[in-house]
Amino acid sequence: GQQLNQSPQSMFIQEGEDVSMNCTSSSIFNTWLWYKQDPGEGPVLLIALYKAGELTSNGRLTAQFGITRKDSFLNISASIPSDVGIYFCAGQPTGNQFYFGTGTSLTVIP
Amino acid sequence: SAVISQKPSRDICQRGTSLTIQCQVDSQVTMMFWYRQQPGQSLTLIATANQGSEATYESGFVIDKFPISRPNLTFSTLTVSNMSPEDSSIYLCSALQGGAETQYFGPGTRLLVL
Repeated sequence: GQQLNQSPQSMFIQEGEDVSMNCTSSSIFNTWLWYKQDPGEGPVLLIALYKAGELTSNGRLTAQFGITRKDSFLNISASIPSDVGIYFCAGQPTGNQFYFGTGTSLTVIP
Repeated sequence: SAVISQKPSRDICQRGTSLTIQCQVDSQVTMMFWYRQQPGQSLTLIATANQGSEATYESGFVIDKFPISRPNLTFSTLTVSNMSPEDSSIYLCSALQGGAETQYFGPGTRLLVL
């Protein structure tokens, strides 16, 4: 199945710093979702995007649906230790199936 | 949002045996899926669980190895049959809600095959 290119693969940042990650696809998507997965848990939905150009926030998290509909971005401001985890993007072209990114592993150093 | 529970949360099994994982959603959903996730990897779709009919399997996954049931709109099971150590993984149930625009996940089942 299709897989999205997600970058960076991993990040090590100091507490308080901002974080940016992105996902790109060769196909146009109608929906983008961003998840966070903690060790030993299932992915938890953070933000859902449904329209090209849409910018949506959830607390310190902000995500954008790229204008080309082939990419999406997630920003985390003023990172804290509990932001540690793996972040996945997921895109839905048409139909019901979502395709997942390769994940970004975030480590926050206190 | 949909709340999804899975049972068991983890298990250790002997090779050659089978394990059935249950997935329960707290509300009716349009679609249910089963994924596999190797440690440190992304999610791989096993199949779409179709209510009242045979599941739709992705390339590399077959019904004999991963039989799936979905008797109603809120419940599904995945069986991992004739297990081998290569089947050790996290198995995740997910559901689409609304106009199939938002996908939620269960907490996963951690399987170790010895």
